[in-house]
Amino acid sequence: AQKVTQAQTEISVVEKEDVTLDCVYETRDTTYYLFWYKQPPSGELVFLIRRNSFDEQNEISGRYSWNFQKSTSSFNFTITASQVVDSAVYFCALSETGANNLFFGTGTRLTVIP
Amino acid sequence: DAMVIQNPRYQVTQFGKPVTLSCSQTLNHNVMYWYQQKSSQAPKLLFHYYDKDFNNEADTPDNFQSRRPNTSFCFLDIRSPGLGDAAMYLCATGTGTAPYGYTFGSGTRLTVV
Repeated sequence: AQKVTQAQTEISVVEKEDVTLDCVYETRDTTYYLFWYKQPPSGELVFLIRRNSFDEQNEISGRYSWNFQKSTSSFNFTITASQVVDSAVYFCALSETGANNLFFGTGTRLTVIP
Repeated sequence: DAMVIQNPRYQVTQFGKPVTLSCSQTLNHNVMYWYQQKSSQAPKLLFHYYDKDFNNEADTPDNFQSRRPNTSFCFLDIRSPGLGDAAMYLCATGTGTAPYGYTFGSGTRLTVV
């Protein structure tokens, strides 16, 4: 069975600090997909990234970067030079092949203090 | 240019009074999902349609039903809402095949009074 663990329930940082959100997953599938979503106070889920299990390359998109390590079953998300607009709940999620379900972690609430 | 549209954005219903939430998509995706997200919790899958095939999660209460009359539309019916059903309801669409992608609507926040 699949499992996604986001051990950090809440994080507060001061604006311009870097912050890393941790995600650890469990799956028996050899092919799977990992996702990060942002959920601002308005409630919608905003897609940030998808990574498949065969692609361990790290990715950078502006101030966002992701570190995927299969050896530790982790898919961590770093925000560089955080801004107040980054304040939201961030969800890590896992999709197993053919499961037709996106299984979410419990989320990390990030507060960026001006 | 919203691709997954949920109406209404906010819904207030009375205890025990049936309510229907709607979702439409312009992506022509095979799969449509309904997730329930209670306050400070992760979204939880209620059911999904793969084309016309309905797939219910084992722990989805019987109080929840769904209809998909065509590719574009999917409805969530709550037959007798209880106070515990107050939540954000998120509709999503997906391709159903690799590479798996999911597109979420903006959600309907349901209040039961």
